[in-house]
Amino acid sequence: DAGITQSPRYKITETGRQVTLMCHQTWSHSYMFWYRQDLGHGLRLIYYSAAADITDKGEVPDGYVVSRSKTENFPLTLESATRSQTSVYFCASSPRFTPLHFGNGTRLTVT
Amino acid sequence: SQQGEEDPQALSIQEGENATMNCSYKTSINNLQWYRQNSGRGLVHLILIRSNEREKHSGRLRVTLDTSKKSSSLLITASRAADTASYFCATGEGGGADGLTFGKGTHLIIQP
Repeated sequence: DAGITQSPRYKITETGRQVTLMCHQTWSHSYMFWYRQDLGHGLRLIYYSAAADITDKGEVPDGYVVSRSKTENFPLTLESATRSQTSVYFCASSPRFTPLHFGNGTRLTVT
Repeated sequence: SQQGEEDPQALSIQEGENATMNCSYKTSINNLQWYRQNSGRGLVHLILIRSNEREKHSGRLRVTLDTSKKSSSLLITASRAADTASYFCATGEGGGADGLTFGKGTHLIIQP
């Protein structure tokens, strides 16, 4: 089915561990984005990518790493998870200058 | 980065009534978008209004944009229980190519 898929849906990890959140889209959209959603802050942009092998920082990139070796995949890695990274993470994609298509999110808890 | 701010933060109305929520932003924009988020789900795009447009309709949705006041409003007419959700406005200087900036949202509850 066409769409944008995030995995896992839920993840619990310990402080200091590395964790990778996956995002896969089937539309071949050029642009992909990672947001985090926290109460009181709304959605904040972590990283975005305009095409394969092109990534750029958003508003809150510290502690996160992204890669985009293929157009359809945009994984987000927390190199050493901290409790402040407990959040709901959303991946989105779009062709340029059009609305974003969001996945259903990954709820990450760092203990 | 510019940021939209929705008002009110929460709104509770009876089914069948109209719901109005507002968004203010800080700098010039290319377009303004509204999204809906149902509990536990991702955001879904509702409507986009360009900076040279003043009003736009889509089904029961009506969006207005006043660039002189840097504000927008979303009107949902004849509300239904299924409209219960959070609503976000989003802006992007480059039309979204470098990501949209979202407000904190209005949580709308439709009472049956």
